[in-house]
Amino acid sequence: AQKITQTQPGMFVQEKEAVTLDCTYDTSDQSYGLFWYKQPSSGEMIFLIYQGSYDEQNATEGRYSLNFQKARKSANLVISASQLGDSAMYFCAMRRRSLADRGSTLGRLYFGRGTQLTVWP
Amino acid sequence: DADVTQTPRNRITKTGKRIMLECSQTKGHDRMYWYRQDPGLGLQLIYYSFDVKDINKGEISDGYSVSRQAQAKFSLSLESAIPNQTALYFCATSSGGSGGELFFGEGSRLTVL
Repeated sequence: AQKITQTQPGMFVQEKEAVTLDCTYDTSDQSYGLFWYKQPSSGEMIFLIYQGSYDEQNATEGRYSLNFQKARKSANLVISASQLGDSAMYFCAMRRRSLADRGSTLGRLYFGRGTQLTVWP
Repeated sequence: DADVTQTPRNRITKTGKRIMLECSQTKGHDRMYWYRQDPGLGLQLIYYSFDVKDINKGEISDGYSVSRQAQAKFSLSLESAIPNQTALYFCATSSGGSGGELFFGEGSRLTVL
């Protein structure tokens, strides 16, 4: 089974500082995708960023970047210049891209248990 | 209006009752999913469907059933609800694109007493 590990149940960061949320994954596939989602206290799931396993450059989306280290099987999320509104639960997820998962380009996502980020003034 | 709509948003029911959670989407995606979220456990896949005639079990399908009535509609049923099915339920959709992120509904919070 695929496995996503987020080792930090909670993280704290001061406003305007950068923070890194850890994510490691376990897969024997060569082709896969990695995602980060944000879940504020209101409960909705918000897509933040995507990294394909064959992408050579780390993905970036505004203040979010994904530090992808394929050999270490890690996909850490970096949030620069934290804001109070960044306080939320953050989930790392992985999607296999193999025929065995009944999806030639898209299968289901496997989620980690999440990291609760708190940004303080 | 939301692209992925779940109803009801909140529901309290009693053990043994039948419950249906409904999901509709306007994104035109073929692929739809039902996830369950419990505190500290992330999201676990219950069922997923890649088109109207294709329905597959996820990791935790016991006690649940689904119906894909149309491309845009995917319903989750609890035939006889039990307290440990108390959770936040998410419907999601995705395309077959290279990125293929999931687009989530706002969630349905179910409490089984």
